[in-house]
Formats: sequence, C-alpha cells, structure tokens
Amino acid sequence: GIQVEQSPPDLILQEGANSTLRCNFSDSVNNLQWFHQNPWGQLINLFYIPSGTKQNGRLSATTVATERYSLLYISSSQTTDSGVYFCAVKGWNNAGKSTFGDGTTLTVKP
Amino acid sequence: GAVVSQHPSRVICKSGTSVKIECRSLDFQATTMFWYRQFPKKSLMLMATSNEGSKATYEQGVEKDKFLINHASLTLSTLTVTSAHPEDSSFYICSARDRDRGNEKLFFGSGTQLSVL
Repeated sequence: GIQVEQSPPDLILQEGANSTLRCNFSDSVNNLQWFHQNPWGQLINLFYIPSGTKQNGRLSATTVATERYSLLYISSSQTTDSGVYFCAVKGWNNAGKSTFGDGTTLTVKP
Repeated sequence: GAVVSQHPSRVICKSGTSVKIECRSLDFQATTMFWYRQFPKKSLMLMATSNEGSKATYEQGVEKDKFLINHASLTLSTLTVTSAHPEDSSFYICSARDRDRGNEKLFFGSGTQLSVL
C-alpha cells in the first residue's frame, strides 16, 4: 500500500515563530488532507488539498502531486496550535481508505 | 456543517463485558464510515470500513468477531467491543465522508477512550 512519511516527528517552537511540516507519499494520490489533533483527541480538518495551494488565516498548505509531497505552513504560531498534525492520503487504488502518516507533534511555548 | 458525534467519550468496564460505541453524522449522510484505533503517541490505525446496509470490511489482523460493526442507517455506525480485555484498552475514533460532497473530506468524531480493568 501507499506509504506516508511525515517530518519532523517532533517540533518545539516559541510563540510567534513560523514552521513548515512535510508529508511525503509513495504513490499518486487523489485525496490528501491535513488534520490537527488537539490534546483531547479531536481531529480537526485543516485542508483538503490533493494539489495546489490553499490558505486559511495563519495556516497554508501546498501539495506538489507530481513530486509526491505536501507542506503545511504555520505562521506566527500560538500555544493553541500545539498538538499533533497528521497528513492522510488516499491513492487511486486504495478502495476509499485513507492512509495516515505518523504525525508531527508540535509544542508551542509561551 | 459536517459534524460527527461519537459517544461515549470515555468508558471504563470490567474484563469480559461488551462495550458499544456510537458514531453519528449529524448533518449529512454517510454511506461509508471508518473506525480507527489509536495508541498513545501513535498514528491512527484503520480497523474497518463500515458500509451502510452491508457488512463491514475489516483490515488484516482485526478480529471481526471481537469488533462488531453495524451500519444500519446513513447516519449511524456502531462498534461493539465484545468480551473486552485489558489489551483492548485504547482510543477509538470514527470518521465519515459526506456523500453529498463527493466523498472528498473525512470528518471525525471526538473519540472514545476505553479502559478495560
């Protein structure tokens, strides 16, 4: 099946700093989403972005499908950004199932 | 829109009992729902795909007799952990795709922390 690698596994930032999270995948995808899992376990949709670039406030994401990677940018980070960020992809032959990366654990310190 | 409700959020049970977890799509119809298991500081592991009106599709290594899934309507899927044992303790999460949005985005429930004593 499709392999998903996220980097870095852990990231510690000072409030106000910017960061870039990366998601590499091993095959062509028709669906890619970024999620934020808060400390209580809830996963929140950030972006649905199988290709191209999107922005939502301090967050933006870019997927270069031909090169099989996606980037999530967090600018002016806040303590509430802390949590785990997951990338999930669905390949063309994946029977509707999404494969999750291992996540990036972000800690933003005040 | 696209809210998925999962209950209970936390359950503690004795070994040998069964526990039912509900996953509801509140404002959309979901022909497909997914059940995941998550260990501490780990990623989500897909357990099964729940299909409305038909049998669930289980991932390799997941015991279908242990984890019973029922998807009786377009808005409700249930996961029953039968004869629970301490090793079944985990965080269980459901997700659903909005049928009318072309099955693009996944929306998640808030998860259920199961502790088996």
